[in-house]
Amino acid sequence: RKEVEQDPGPFNVPEGATVAFNCTYSNSASQSFFWYRQDCRKEPKLLMSVYSSGNEDGRFTAQLNRASQYISLLIRDSKLSDSATYLCVVSFSGGYQKVTFGIGTKLQVIP
Amino acid sequence: GAVVSQHPSWVICKSGTSVKIECRSLDFQATTMFWYRQFPKQSLMLMATSNEGSKATYEQGVEKDKFLINHASLTLSTLTVTSAHPEDSSFYICSAPKGMNQPQHFGDGTRLSIL
Repeated sequence: RKEVEQDPGPFNVPEGATVAFNCTYSNSASQSFFWYRQDCRKEPKLLMSVYSSGNEDGRFTAQLNRASQYISLLIRDSKLSDSATYLCVVSFSGGYQKVTFGIGTKLQVIP
Repeated sequence: GAVVSQHPSWVICKSGTSVKIECRSLDFQATTMFWYRQFPKQSLMLMATSNEGSKATYEQGVEKDKFLINHASLTLSTLTVTSAHPEDSSFYICSAPKGMNQPQHFGDGTRLSIL
């Protein structure tokens, strides 16, 4: 089993739609969780950290479920500019920790 | 603005050439930096952890003699791909956290093409 699993998609959604991605992780001792966005042939950029209480940043909402070992990302009112690959990132240790990336979920927002 | 700078962004060279990639933290000191490689349609794979003033820690399956890492200062880590061959062609990215338990910040990446 992969340490971090994501559905690679692609998810094709119309503008204005709400879309949700899930990501599961295998190590119950994981400590930190992030969603990154990666555009084609570019470096990943941090979208948001994920906290146990859940957190929201504009149209983006992230949730963490430690019991079931998954995190989610909800995007409301999708924009064309949201088209990208969304990477689930998990850290298994503290300090200057190594992180493990999921394969990413590709989102294509259609006009 | 960018907090981690990577150079060069694109390299095309002949088989057998050694290629050096630089990764700099711009407004913070990074005692630890990470080097990743990403092949098309695959996830980022950690190659090694670069530690300032000490030897790098390589992931299983990564040849330390082929991928030389030097972290001589608190703001600079270098990755040298020695005697590169076409199968080394990939997207190489570095990252550094600004502090403990902080998210990684990535360089722009280096697209390496070996002919």
